[in-house]
Amino acid sequence: DSGVTQTPKHLITATGQRVTLRCSPRSGDLSVYWYQQSLDQGLQFLIQYYNGEERAKGNILERFSAQQFPDLHSELNLSSLELGDSALYFCASSVRVKGEQFFGPGTRLTVL
Amino acid sequence: GIQVEQSPPDLILQEGANSTLRCNFSDSVNNLQWFHQNPWGQLINLFYIPSGTKQNGRLSATTVATERYSLLYISSSQTTDSGVYFCAGPSYNNNDMRFGAGTRLTVKP
Repeated sequence: DSGVTQTPKHLITATGQRVTLRCSPRSGDLSVYWYQQSLDQGLQFLIQYYNGEERAKGNILERFSAQQFPDLHSELNLSSLELGDSALYFCASSVRVKGEQFFGPGTRLTVL
Repeated sequence: GIQVEQSPPDLILQEGANSTLRCNFSDSVNNLQWFHQNPWGQLINLFYIPSGTKQNGRLSATTVATERYSLLYISSSQTTDSGVYFCAGPSYNNNDMRFGAGTRLTVKP
């Protein structure tokens, strides 16, 4: 157990819908990262927050947004969902802006 | 962003065999990590190894930062070692963490 928690574990929804994925970092970690793992794209970095502020942006679509709250948990919002958004979404956390990352168990999103 | 290449893409071993997995980076990286993704999808930290050599039981890793590569050694492999091994790291200039495509390891009893 890495200490990073993610909810829900599984999510099944329909095209066009909006969902929110939640992540709680390890105790003491200030940085939160979001990743998407799909069969055709592999593991891709989406976005990073550090102590509430966005610090790095990767291949995140405009339909996706994220934020980190004062209690340091983070949410990833996915809207206007498409079939291709079906993937495993991971959250990771680290103590510093750059540092060893620890991954949560992931949320498996299925868009039908 | 940096490119990460892992080799081999697939590896099939008999239980008890040794193996070496390689990770090449197109640019200098720091905070290089190795992960094992088990058959249930969980990503498990193996090593945080920006440079040098570390060992943890049957696994060890070496990173030569100046030559932009890292190696993961698995000795006396077990069936529980099966899964996909990833290396990843951000470049020095940003926090954009890049993963390789992974090495899929199958250890047969």
